[in-house]
Amino acid sequence: GGIITQTPKFLIGQEGQKLTLKCQQNFNHDTMYWYRQDSGKGLRLIYYSITENDLQKGDLSEGYDASREKKSSFSLTVTSAQKNEMAVFLCASSIHLGQGSTEVFFGKGTRLTVV
Amino acid sequence: GDQVEQSPSALSLHEGTGSALRCNFTTTMRAVQWFRKNSRGSLINLFYLASGTKENGRLKSAFDSKERYSTLHIRDAQLEDSGTYFCAASNYNVLYFGSGTKLTVEP
Repeated sequence: GGIITQTPKFLIGQEGQKLTLKCQQNFNHDTMYWYRQDSGKGLRLIYYSITENDLQKGDLSEGYDASREKKSSFSLTVTSAQKNEMAVFLCASSIHLGQGSTEVFFGKGTRLTVV
Repeated sequence: GDQVEQSPSALSLHEGTGSALRCNFTTTMRAVQWFRKNSRGSLINLFYLASGTKENGRLKSAFDSKERYSTLHIRDAQLEDSGTYFCAASNYNVLYFGSGTKLTVEP
């Protein structure tokens, strides 16, 4: 088994601030993801990465940057926090099998509040 | 656009009864996962299916890629089953989520 660790668990930022969320996984998975969850909605993909230094945009990439520094870590940056924004950011990982699909595992999330 | 349509959005069951959640896909998907969100907001993996059916305790899931749907059946519902359930279908390593079903189990 493995674990996905997201830090911090809670993040309070100010409007316009640049905020960075971090994610580490010890599954030795190739692909890592960042999703955003808003209350009452399903998860929406922000960025994903299929290998070290790779970056692919999801549906919600505008306003975010991401960086896959090494295989085990994937960070997400909110480039300019929006006032009254509240969401949970979930990191995930999976094995990459070319054009196949494999099970995806999620971290426990980072809850963002912008004041 | 929305690739996964999940229904119902909310479901209320009495203890001991059962029902089914369903997800329809607008395109062919390679696999489906079902999750339950716990009280802390974490996603707990319930099932991963590339085809066919799987059963685990009082939960059973089915996935038909050709007909573009998946179901999650709950039988003998218990109070602790309450929560929000999500389906997610994957294609080329990207998961597309349904909007969730909020299940409430009542005594």
